[in-house]
Formats: sequence, C-alpha cells, structure tokens
Amino acid sequence: DIVMTQSPDSLAVSLGERATINCKSSRSVLSSSDNKNYLVWYQQKPGQPPNLLIYWASTRESGVPDRYSGSGSGTDFTLTISSLQAEDVAVYYCQQYYSIPYTFGQGTKLEIK
Amino acid sequence: EVQLLESGGNLVQPGGSLRLSCTASGFTFSNYAMSWVRQAPGKGLEWVSIIYSAGRSTYYADSVKGRFTISRDNSKNTLYLQMNNLRAEDTAVYYCAKDRGEGSGWPIFDYWGQGTLVTVSS
Repeated sequence: DIVMTQSPDSLAVSLGERATINCKSSRSVLSSSDNKNYLVWYQQKPGQPPNLLIYWASTRESGVPDRYSGSGSGTDFTLTISSLQAEDVAVYYCQQYYSIPYTFGQGTKLEIK
Repeated sequence: EVQLLESGGNLVQPGGSLRLSCTASGFTFSNYAMSWVRQAPGKGLEWVSIIYSAGRSTYYADSVKGRFTISRDNSKNTLYLQMNNLRAEDTAVYYCAKDRGEGSGWPIFDYWGQGTLVTVSS
C-alpha cells in the first residue's frame, strides 16, 4: 500500500497570511504513461463531507477560489493557501489514486492564529 | 443539482450485518464509478470500495475484503454496501462519493453524500 504522510498535523496561520500543507507518498504517484500525478486534495469542515479542491496534484476544481493551489510531483506535494480567510478553517486531506487501496493522508487541521 | 443520499446506518452488534444505500440524482448515475469512504469518529478518511459504472468491476480495502460487498442498481440510481461480520473497528460515518470523470474510474470525488453512521457495539 502507498502510505500518505501529511505535515504538519496542525497549523495556525494569521488571516491574510500564507498556509502551506505538505503531503509525502511512500512511492511515486507519477505515472510514466501519461505524466500525471495521481494526487488529490480535499477540504473538510466540521460536520460536513469532504470537498474537492485540487486533482492531478495541481488542477483546481471548478468553483474553488484561486488562493488555493497545488504543486509537487512524484512523492512530494504541497497545498498552498495564498491568503488565509476565516472560511478556510478546516481539515485538509491528500489522497493518492495511483493504486488500490486509494489511501488518504492523516489530515492537517488548519486554524486561525 | 447532484444529490447523494445515504441511508441504512444503525447500531448493530459485533458479527451482525447491515446494508447501506445511496440514492443518486441530478446526473446520469449509470455513467459514473462510485465509491464508499468511511470516517471513524474523530478520525481521518478511509477509502472502502469502488464500483465502476456497469457494475462489473469492484475493488475493496483490505480491511473490509471478504466481509463487505459493493453493488449498484443503475435502473434505480442506487449504490449499495452490504456489510457482514461487522467489527467494532467498522464504526464510522459512511459516505458515498461520485467520480468526477464520466466513465473514468479515477476516484476523484466531486460530490459526496452527507453520510450515514454505523455503530458496531454490544
């Protein structure tokens, strides 16, 4: 199984500042056949189901604010929120869909400082 | 508007069985792979199972293989999860989730239901 490890486990950032969440996979999730990284980011607010933010590691889902961006390749990935807003308080998960089982990271809790 | 509505969650004793349902609307259900994802209380997300659009291909997490069965009825726009020999560690909110890409089978979940709670306890 591919193990996904996020860092940090929790993060406190001031409003308007940048938030950075890291995700590392135990094996590469970059496909040589299509040169795509099989990595997705979700946001989950309390009491709600997850919400799709980023897929193929860097493609923003329609309707997601452009302050959210994804980067990285192979085994190391980053979710960046360029200017933190109050509504961004949530838990963020990365997930690989390169191979079954489709594993998630443990989550990163983002709070306001 | 896409909607996914789970039902069937309940309190069940260890070793018992339960069938979850997820009724879909607002999209052509038969064209999309669907998954179940669970979340234990206060914990992270765990992918459970996927079924492709025609229902012929299914895959499971090792933790549920041999005990859970995913299925779908495209004529009823409904996804199912039959759970047998339940254990305490199966206690979780179970979400159904829709693949983003029509016919793709890549588990990029663009819509999720609100979840149904399964509690396994004596």
